[in-house]
Amino acid sequence: QQPVQSPQAVILREGEDAVINCSSSKALYSVHWYRQKHGEAPVFLMILLKGGEQKGHEKISASFNEKKQQSSLYLTASQLSYSGTYFCGTGTGRRALTFGSGTRLQVQP
Amino acid sequence: DGGITQSPKYLFRKEGQNVTLSCEQNLNHDAMYWYRQDPGQGLRLIYYSQIVNDFQKGDIAEGYSVSREKKESFPLTVTSAQKNPTAFYLCASSRTSGRIDTQYFGPGTRLTVL
Repeated sequence: QQPVQSPQAVILREGEDAVINCSSSKALYSVHWYRQKHGEAPVFLMILLKGGEQKGHEKISASFNEKKQQSSLYLTASQLSYSGTYFCGTGTGRRALTFGSGTRLQVQP
Repeated sequence: DGGITQSPKYLFRKEGQNVTLSCEQNLNHDAMYWYRQDPGQGLRLIYYSQIVNDFQKGDIAEGYSVSREKKESFPLTVTSAQKNPTAFYLCASSRTSGRIDTQYFGPGTRLTVL
């Protein structure tokens, strides 16, 4: 079952904040966040593990609510370079990630 | 530099032809994956391999085949049985099976059926 991401798209001005949500119907061992620029490969941003360990980026943070099977990605003081499509990948019982359909983020000057 | 390479970057296929997409990694990763991405869509898992000579079907394996004869290589064949193969194909690898290990992606192959 594919995780559900919200919102589907968001437009920001430089310096504004954004939150992207990822929700799963299955119990999660981990949540992985990626950013993809058009026509390029997804780039790893952050991983959140069951039990609270978090590894990733300095200027981007995230939370993982294991009980609610949800994760949120927080982008603060957005920059033009933050534009792209953000995907969450969820680690469940299967030994491969399942990705959401993505959130398109556009940061304008 | 360590990384994942995919070739070719662009591939054009006539209907009824089989084509093979290459994926090579020099990261010494055990696990490798193939995903398909359609315009405006997320990543859908085609096949994955946890170790050499072993692989499992993903969510959309019909019309595709893979092999894993070497640790560093995981080629994907798109067969004539795949009804709508035009898409962006991404290969990824991780140190071990991907539930908690970070997956790293190659640059992708864009396949177009003429």
